[in-house]
Amino acid sequence: DVKVTQSSRYLVKRTGEKVFLECVQDMDHENMFWYRQDPGLGLRLIYFSYDVKMKEKGDIPEGYSVSREKKERFSLILESASTNQTSMYLCASSLQGTGVLEAFFGQGTRLTVV
Amino acid sequence: RKEVEQDPGPFNVPEGATVAFNCTYSNSASQSFFWYRQDCRKEPKLLMSVYSSGNEDGRFTAQLNRASQYISLLIRDSKLSDSATYLCVYCPHSSASKIIFGSGTRLSIRP
Repeated sequence: DVKVTQSSRYLVKRTGEKVFLECVQDMDHENMFWYRQDPGLGLRLIYFSYDVKMKEKGDIPEGYSVSREKKERFSLILESASTNQTSMYLCASSLQGTGVLEAFFGQGTRLTVV
Repeated sequence: RKEVEQDPGPFNVPEGATVAFNCTYSNSASQSFFWYRQDCRKEPKLLMSVYSSGNEDGRFTAQLNRASQYISLLIRDSKLSDSATYLCVYCPHSSASKIIFGSGTRLSIRP
């Protein structure tokens, strides 16, 4: 079974703090993704990575950065947390190529910025 | 315009009914389409792929209409356990590294 593990289920941080969300996958997937999910807005892509040290902006990258130093690990960084970054953050991974590209998700990190 | 648009619902239907919902997409170069299911407070999981020729899996049928740029999901003989949010998903490139999700359609099956 593919497993995508996010380091925390719940996190509370103060405004202005630097926040690290970690994600690890154990299936040697090339692609990794960070989404945030908010009521009425669905999953919005923040950043994705298709290889080690490679990253591309998604639809809402502002206020975030990412790091992929190893294939199995993809970190999301909030440089200076703000209250509008309170959200559910979901990490996912998938294989590359054509055909069925199933994305496997972690269980999510609910981040509250106070 | 959003890349993927779905009716948010909720669709509230009785058990045993047939229900269908659509998803429209704006990128005509989109190559791969999927339906995901997300239960309350859970992560999304792949339900089925969508092919131009249609795809059936038990009570679920998915269709792709490239001319009109929409995909559909039909659920027959709905069960209480079908209550969930259904997410329309597409990959804009054939060697996809980007996966785009719709905002989801909420379905509630009542006894």
